[in-house]
Amino acid sequence: KAGVTQTPRYLIKTRGQQVTLSCSPISGHRSVSWYQQTPGQGLQFLFEYFSETQRNKGNFPGRFSGRQFSNSRSEMNVSTLELGDSALYLCASSLGATGTSGEKQFFGPGTRLTVL
Amino acid sequence: GQQVMQIPQYQHVQEGEDFTTYCNSSTTLSNIQWYKQRPGGHPVFLIQLVKSGEVKKQKRLTFQFGEAKKNSSLHITATQTTDVGTYFCAGRSGGYQKVTFGTGTKLQVIP
Repeated sequence: KAGVTQTPRYLIKTRGQQVTLSCSPISGHRSVSWYQQTPGQGLQFLFEYFSETQRNKGNFPGRFSGRQFSNSRSEMNVSTLELGDSALYLCASSLGATGTSGEKQFFGPGTRLTVL
Repeated sequence: GQQVMQIPQYQHVQEGEDFTTYCNSSTTLSNIQWYKQRPGGHPVFLIQLVKSGEVKKQKRLTFQFGEAKKNSSLHITATQTTDVGTYFCAGRSGGYQKVTFGTGTKLQVIP
C-alpha cells in the first residue's frame, strides 16, 4: 500500500497570506490527524477527523482549520499567517477512530512551511 | 490540560551502551504509544501499551507502562548507530482520547 502523502512538501509564504495543505491517507484509513512540529514546542496536536467529522481539536487559534472529504483526504488551512506558524506540518492516518483502542498512526513526510 | 514530560531531553551514548527514556503524564492515560523520528524524517510507530504494568519487547527495545498508567519507559540494550533519532511517547486520555506527545528524547550514538 502507498503511504501517507502530503502536498506540497515545501512552501514559502509571507505574513498575512493564507495556505492550504493537503493530506492523502493510506487507502482504507478513515482517520486523519494533523500535527505541528517546531524545535521549540515539539509535536503539537492540531485536529483529528474521522468520516468527515472533526472529533478532536488541539489548542490552536481559529486561524487553523481543517476538513476531511468523503474519500478521507484531508486539508488544513491557515489564514493570516504569522512568523510563528513556520513549522513542519505532519499528517497521520489510522484505520479507525482514535479513542477506541488508540489506533496506530502512520505519518506522512510533512509539509515544511516557512513564513517570511 | 494534559501534559506529558519526557526525560532526558538529550542523551549521548557510546555504541554498545544502554539507553532509557522516561515519559510522565500529569493525568492517567488510557494508552501510550511510542514513536521514533530519524533526523529529517517523520515519526514512525514503534509500539502501543494499553494495560497497567504492561511490558513489551521488540528485539533490543523494552517498553513499560506504569502500574498507575501515568508513566512509561523505553529501554534500548546495547545501542547501535541505527538507533539514532528522537523518541517520542504519545499518551491518550480524556473522553475524546485527545493525544499529547511527549517532548521527545534525542539519542545520539557515538561509534
